[in-house]
Amino acid sequence: GAGVSQTPSNKVTEKGKYVELRCDPISGHTALYWYRQSLGQGPEFLIYFQGTGAADDSGLPNDRFFAVRPEGSVSTLKIQRTERGDSAVYLCASSSRGAKETQYFGPGTRLLVL
Amino acid sequence: AQKITQTQPGMFVQEKEAVTLDCTYDTSDQSYGLFWYKQPSSGEMIFLIYQGSYDEQNATEGRYSLNFQKARKSANLVISASQLGDSAMYFCAMREGRLGTGNQFYFGTGTSLTVIP
Repeated sequence: GAGVSQTPSNKVTEKGKYVELRCDPISGHTALYWYRQSLGQGPEFLIYFQGTGAADDSGLPNDRFFAVRPEGSVSTLKIQRTERGDSAVYLCASSSRGAKETQYFGPGTRLLVL
Repeated sequence: AQKITQTQPGMFVQEKEAVTLDCTYDTSDQSYGLFWYKQPSSGEMIFLIYQGSYDEQNATEGRYSLNFQKARKSANLVISASQLGDSAMYFCAMREGRLGTGNQFYFGTGTSLTVIP
């Protein structure tokens, strides 16, 4: 089925490097979300897009984190000058306007910063 | 204050028995949605069940039901006839506000369920 896909599935990088994580939402879903999940924790909200614009970026931890969704479909989460504390699973979810606006999640990208 | 509280870090249940996973929430909004997700060891979050704040009936989806007690602000998940494949982390989540107004979700810390054969 055409669910949410995320690439890469795993990413290992060195401290200080730049990384990009990609999310391809379910076709037709206008809303897209990024979350970060640390070991043993629930997902933590980062940013929410409605269409091309970031409707709520209050969860981004600092200005090293940035996300774009230029055409209202695929989104890229960008992390500059990575730190070891950025190591986590980054989850993407999408939803459509409707009665429940249930979020459907992708498999996540496991980021490890050495 | 935590928006979502799951007080059971780990639960065990015998196969074919029913189990209740607890969830309490905190919001001042009148309109909100409550969700349960399952996260197996593979890592993907799987949507299980939804309850709207104005829904008068408790939600049910197959073996899953949501025991919604609005006055107590609780939304416990009941899994009937547990199966070995139900072993996973379970997360309760809340969407605050009216639909379409900005849909930040808050997640609890999860409950690890183990089904014993």
